Parts: sequence; structure tokens; C-alpha cells
Amino acid sequence: DGGITQSPKYLFRKEGQNVTLSCEQNLNHDAMYWYRQDPGQGLRLIYYSQIVNDFQKGDIAEGYSVSREKKESFPLTVTSAQKNPTAFYLCASSILAGTDTQYFGPGTRLTVL
Amino acid sequence: GIQVEQSPPDLILQEGANSTLRCNFSDSVNNLQWFHQNPWGQLINLFYIPSGTKQNGRLSATTVATERYSLLYISSSQTTDSGVYFCAPGGSGGYQKVTFGIGTKLQVIP
Repeated sequence: DGGITQSPKYLFRKEGQNVTLSCEQNLNHDAMYWYRQDPGQGLRLIYYSQIVNDFQKGDIAEGYSVSREKKESFPLTVTSAQKNPTAFYLCASSILAGTDTQYFGPGTRLTVL
Repeated sequence: GIQVEQSPPDLILQEGANSTLRCNFSDSVNNLQWFHQNPWGQLINLFYIPSGTKQNGRLSATTVATERYSLLYISSSQTTDSGVYFCAPGGSGGYQKVTFGIGTKLQVIP
């Protein structure tokens, strides 16, 4: 089946550790996105990538890093510099950036202990 | 960036009732999406509707871009419609990121 997968579904991390969230899509989409959602809030853009080997900061990029070495993969690293990393993280993709329907993965719930 | 305001923030409906959700945005847009987030967190795209009207089963949406608002209609609501509905407009001119509102939380009771 075509779609977007994120792993793991739940992740626990000790304070001060880096952690990498996986996002894979087999929709052949050029654009991919990472969002953060806090309880009772909308989604905020962390990073986006319009094409392989290119990515841009979103509104809340501090404390996060990404890579886009393959079209189908867009991993997000939450670094120890992120002051409040506990949140729900959602990955999305679209055919092109900015003008197309976005499709979302099931999300990863990160809890920092 | 674009400011997005959704109303009402919370809505409780009896099963079978109809409702209208509103999204106001502060700037011109070249795209607008409506999403439903189920209680498990999965976001499903309902409509891509930068202008005009679209219908999909019991749901329909209308965007009046010149007046900077969009409406989502839910008819004959079902308990499975419960969740949060997000409006997400995107700006015009090159790549402009999509901005999400904080959503309308809908609960449909039997």
C-alpha cells in the first residue's frame, strides 16, 4: 500500500539525549514536512524539504535537524538543545511543495523523562 | 505570516445534526486544506479547496478567497465524525508554508 510511515509510535528519551524520528513515504512525492503538535494546539512547521538534498527551516527549527538524502526518507533528529521536546510529531508529504494536498503519517509521540 | 482563526473552538452535536465550521484567514492564499484529526492523532485530508465549492459525501467545503474565509459543512453527523477539524491555508507567491489553525473540536454524541 502507498503511504507514509513513521516510527516508532511512542518514544521515551532521557533529558540530554538526541533522538531520531523516522519518516518514510512510497508515494513518490518530492516534498516532505515535519510538524510538531502540542496538546490543544494546531501544527507548527519544523522543517520542510522540496527536493532531495535540500531542506528549509520552518517556524520552530531551533533544536532540531533533518536530512534528505533519499526521496522517500526525511528523518528528524531532536537534539538536546531543544528545550521542550515532549510533543506529538507528524510527518507529511505532497507531490510538490506549497500547492498540493499534504498526506500525513500516523505520528510519533515523544516523551522526555 | 498568515493568521488563521477557526470557529467555534468546541462543538457538541447530537448524531444526525448538521453543522458549519468556519475558517477566517488574514491574507491572500493560493491553497487551502481542511483536515480531520481522529482521536488517535491521524490527520486525514478532507479537501484541497483554494476557491469554490467541493462536496464529498456528507461533507462539503466552500472557500471565498476574496473575502478570506472558508466553510466546512457536515451533514447528518455520525459519531465517527468526532475529532478535531483543522483549516490550513497557504500563502501566494512562491513557496509559502501552510499555516494551521488551532482547530474546531467536534464531539458527536449518539
